[in-house]
Amino acid sequence: DQQVKQNSPSLSVQEGRISILNCDYTNSMFDYFLWYKKYPAEGPTFLISISSIKDKNEDGRFTVFLNKSAKHLSLHIVPSQPGDSAVYFCAASARRGDDKIIFGKGTRLHILP
Amino acid sequence: SAVISQKPSRDICQRGTSLTIQCQVDSQVTMMFWYRQQPGQSLTLIATANQGSEATYESGFVIDKFPISRPNLTFSTLTVSNMSPEDSSIYLCSVPVAGGTDTQYFGPGTRLTVL
Repeated sequence: DQQVKQNSPSLSVQEGRISILNCDYTNSMFDYFLWYKKYPAEGPTFLISISSIKDKNEDGRFTVFLNKSAKHLSLHIVPSQPGDSAVYFCAASARRGDDKIIFGKGTRLHILP
Repeated sequence: SAVISQKPSRDICQRGTSLTIQCQVDSQVTMMFWYRQQPGQSLTLIATANQGSEATYESGFVIDKFPISRPNLTFSTLTVSNMSPEDSSIYLCSVPVAGGTDTQYFGPGTRLTVL
C-alpha cells in the first residue's frame, strides 16, 4: 500500500519554463511534507518542506503547495534551469521531527535546452 | 551540514554471499538510518541504529537478514546476508539534521547487484 504517490515517473520541461511536480498521499495522519532532489550516484538532498498548517512555502525558485482536503502537494520550480534535471522525491511524516519518513517513488525531471 | 561517506560505492555479488556496507559521518550523531531503494521503487526505511543499543527494524526487515552494527557515534555498518537477486538495490544511510530542520542528510548510497 503506497502512502505517498508520485504518479508521473518522468517529466520534461523547457529551460526557463515552470516545472510542476505532483504528489498525492493517502494517510490523513501525515503532518509534514518534504521534497528531496537526487542526482545520479549521489544521495537525496533536502530541497524544501511544508507543515500541514500552511498551504504554501516558498524558497527562491522553489515553491511547495499543499492542498490538505485533496491530500495533494506540488512542487513548482520557476524558472527551470538545466541543473534542475534530477529525480525528485516527495516524502511525508506523521509529525514534525518524526524519524520515519515515507517516500514516493520519485519523478525524473528533464530540463530541455 | 554533515558529510556522509559510504563504502563500497557499488558491488556485484554472488547469490548466497553477504556484503557489509559501511557508513561514516564526519560528526557525532545519536541516530543513523538505513534505507533501501529497489529498482523503480521508493526509499524504504530498513532500520534505525542508535549507538549503544540494538537497531530497531521496520516491518518486513529482520536482524538475521540485515544485521547492523553501531560501534560509535560516527560509524555504522549494514550487512546484507545470504543475498538473492531480490536484494539488488541501492542502500543508503542517513542522519538527522541538527537544529530542528526536521530532515535528514543522506550518504551517496551503495549500489548492490546480486547475480
